[in-house]
Amino acid sequence: EAGVTQFPSHSVIEKGQTVTLRCDPISGHDNLYWYRRVMGKEIKFLLHFVKESKQDESGMPNNRFLAERTGGTYSTLKVQPAELEDSGVYFCASSYDRLEANVLTFGAGSRLTVL
Amino acid sequence: AQSVTQPDIHITVSEGASLELRCNYSYGATPYLFWYVQSPGQGLQLLLKYFSGDTLVQGIKGFEAEFKRSQSSFNLRKPSVHWSDAAEYFCAVRARPGGSYIPTFGRGTSLIVHP
Repeated sequence: EAGVTQFPSHSVIEKGQTVTLRCDPISGHDNLYWYRRVMGKEIKFLLHFVKESKQDESGMPNNRFLAERTGGTYSTLKVQPAELEDSGVYFCASSYDRLEANVLTFGAGSRLTVL
Repeated sequence: AQSVTQPDIHITVSEGASLELRCNYSYGATPYLFWYVQSPGQGLQLLLKYFSGDTLVQGIKGFEAEFKRSQSSFNLRKPSVHWSDAAEYFCAVRARPGGSYIPTFGRGTSLIVHP
């Protein structure tokens, strides 16, 4: 089965520009998560979708971040306008069931560098 | 709220030597516990997990971890390290059903293997 795919793998943008990250979860996985890791820090939760609905977005840093999951398939995370502190690796993960046996499958991450 | 501490940022071992990576968690009850590994250019891969039962759990690639309730620890071990084990290792904790189902990660430990 195909894994979780993220695109782009690396993006370098200027402060103030916009970037959109994309995540394609494993087919059939209703749960989709976004995490971010700033260099040297822990992997921090951003938000969680169940199908197309945002179940928990308590980790979103501010309103410059917008996540969507139209149709309950792939998801996008847009940063507009980007700031220096947004640099880091953005991970997407998916799972079939968020309950008892929930184990997340992660993508390789999208590295964002804001100059 | 749950939290995870990985006190070692970097660990250097010689190939063939034994390895122990430390993980301490904070949670009011016995959580679900995970170890993930990230090799360069790859996503986070699940090494092993603890849900209940035997406190010594076996994982992939020859890794094992021991849950110690009295110490709130879930340390990862391997008796003989291979050069291909050089990677970043993340410990994660998740509440049991009824609590937050969002895994919380530590900041990771980078493993360097000398020939």
